[in-house]
Amino acid sequence: DTEVTQTPKHLVMGMTNKKSLKCEQHMGHRAMYWYKQKAKKPPELMFVYSYEKLSINESVPSRFSPECPNSSLLNLHLHALQPEDSALYLCASSQGRDPAADTQYFGPGTRLTVL
Amino acid sequence: QQQVKQSPQSLIVQKGGISIINCAYENTAFDYFPWYQQFPGKGPALLIAIRPDVSEKKEGRFTISFNKSAKQFSLHIMDSQPGDSATYFCAAINTVYNQGGKLIFGQGTELSVKP
Repeated sequence: DTEVTQTPKHLVMGMTNKKSLKCEQHMGHRAMYWYKQKAKKPPELMFVYSYEKLSINESVPSRFSPECPNSSLLNLHLHALQPEDSALYLCASSQGRDPAADTQYFGPGTRLTVL
Repeated sequence: QQQVKQSPQSLIVQKGGISIINCAYENTAFDYFPWYQQFPGKGPALLIAIRPDVSEKKEGRFTISFNKSAKQFSLHIMDSQPGDSATYFCAAINTVYNQGGKLIFGQGTELSVKP
């Protein structure tokens, strides 16, 4: 099973709302990633967790707050977002023995719209 | 120097034809070059990947050609089918010095295969 699941599929939120995106994998992977993807653009890396520890933060604004409660679960907490944050948010995971060389498996994404 | 340049942006091919997508890079430290396929509403999925110690890798109808001296690599899709219609991203990564799996993506090619 090479499935990464993400919920919700779609999310509409106002600029004052607080919401969370959830990502789950049961492949035993120890590296998990958050990406942001705008229409017709490649994914942009936001955060990497390796063995439940944050290893990369690509200078993402603090209105995005990642959390990795355990090795199977990754959350992205959203607060005071801007309309330009509207995008497809992708989660990925990899085995984690060597994140630089591991194949990353992507979830289907959460389509976020900020009004 | 971290960029990967991908062309064309969009490609229309007749069913049964050959689709060719090209990528070029500058950073000679890159040592792993994956291609991802993304269907609308889905996350990217690894299609095929190559290391620079080989000049060609074939998996079914998909072939990567790699020219180390020119710092270029390309994806060839033989006998293209309407089901191949998707966006294709080339990527590159330095697996030795990279700290955590940061793929450098090309800008993507939207492929449409006409019946």
